[in-house]
Amino acid sequence: GQQLNQSPQSMFIQEGEDVSMNCTSSSIFNTWLWYKQDPGEGPVLLIALYKAGELTSNGRLTAQFGITRKDSFLNISASIPSDVGIYFCAGPDLNLNDMRFGAGTRLTVKP
Amino acid sequence: DGGITQSPKYLFRKEGQNVTLSCEQNLNHDAMYWYRQDPGQGLRLIYYSQIVNDFQKGDIAEGYSVSREKKESFPLTVTSAQKNPTAFYLCASRKLAGLYNEQFFGPGTRLTVL
Repeated sequence: GQQLNQSPQSMFIQEGEDVSMNCTSSSIFNTWLWYKQDPGEGPVLLIALYKAGELTSNGRLTAQFGITRKDSFLNISASIPSDVGIYFCAGPDLNLNDMRFGAGTRLTVKP
Repeated sequence: DGGITQSPKYLFRKEGQNVTLSCEQNLNHDAMYWYRQDPGQGLRLIYYSQIVNDFQKGDIAEGYSVSREKKESFPLTVTSAQKNPTAFYLCASRKLAGLYNEQFFGPGTRLTVL
């Protein structure tokens, strides 16, 4: 279930601007995952992080696994209209093998 | 193609009827999950299963039932006891062993109860 603190809840930006969102947890994680969900579709995995301090890129997307293992951030550079959607962070609960999710960041990009 | 399939994409039912949502995966994943998503909301866990013939309640299991008779399949039944069943339902799966244990989602089923 949902137990990660994700911010901001929503963002309205102009095409071409950079975007940054983050996720924090009260407990440590060994894995951080970032997903994007288009309207009416299932979430799609964008980036997976496995090591504290790791910085990983996927095209215009960059994500980092925080040193404390309790946070992660996702940056999108030079946003385009198709970046519109909801972005979720997630991480597997170490005790329960369950996946914890943030509430999502809803991104709107104005052309 | 490897992946998770959910059917149907859209489902309409009359109030008081039970309905079963299908979820199949050919990724050889151990665990399977069902989530509910309401408009503008995040994901809420309904049920999950880590092994065949075993499953656990999630945060909002009341009014739902599941079975896991095969590793590949994890159907969800929305019963008439579920007070507000209209929602978007997502199935997911992941491998539990090893370092790389990303969770993958199906395309979802939108259930509307009339």
